[in-house]
Amino acid sequence: QKEVEQNSGPLSVPEGAIASLNCTYSDRGSQSFFWYRQYSGKSPELIMSIYSNGDKEDGRFTAQLNKASQYVSLLIRDSQPSDSATYLCAVNGGYKAAGNKLTFGGGTRVLVKP
Amino acid sequence: DTEVTQTPKHLVMGMTNKKSLKCEQHMGHRAMYWYKQKAKKPPELMFVYSYEKLSINESVPSRFSPECPNSSLLNLHLHALQPEDSALYLCASSPLVGDTQYFGPGTRLTVL
Repeated sequence: QKEVEQNSGPLSVPEGAIASLNCTYSDRGSQSFFWYRQYSGKSPELIMSIYSNGDKEDGRFTAQLNKASQYVSLLIRDSQPSDSATYLCAVNGGYKAAGNKLTFGGGTRVLVKP
Repeated sequence: DTEVTQTPKHLVMGMTNKKSLKCEQHMGHRAMYWYKQKAKKPPELMFVYSYEKLSINESVPSRFSPECPNSSLLNLHLHALQPEDSALYLCASSPLVGDTQYFGPGTRLTVL
């Protein structure tokens, strides 16, 4: 089992719809959770960080964390073609993450169609 | 300002060359990182510096040599690389190890 798992996609979403991205992690001691957006050929850009169970909203983005289920998700509302990118889930601070290393999932490719 | 800068943007080198990648941040962060990213893969951690001291080396081959001259600068010295080392090299920084990491734009390295 991979430490951080994401569906590789592509997740195809019509413009204006909600894109829902999921991420599961195996280290129950994980403390910090991040979503990064990465356009092709560019570097990862931080979208959201979340540390507590529940929802966290920032503009069109909502991150949801459920530590009991070891699950973190990202919702993108009113999806725009400019949201087409790969979204990386990253997890930090687990029992296995010696030195507080950030563990990345494989990324979900999102394609927003006009 | 959450800017991390990296130079050069692109680098082409032969297998016998010696080159260096540079990374700079002026956010007062005390943790800096080097990652390697191959196409369609997530970033792969190479090195972590905390308070200018190397704290994590992810069993990276010795042809990659990191250096942290001060709290704002991070270098990656390259020597005798292989074609399979061609990748996007990313620098990141965070206030402390374990905090939110901010990535630089990366250096696209091609080894011929």
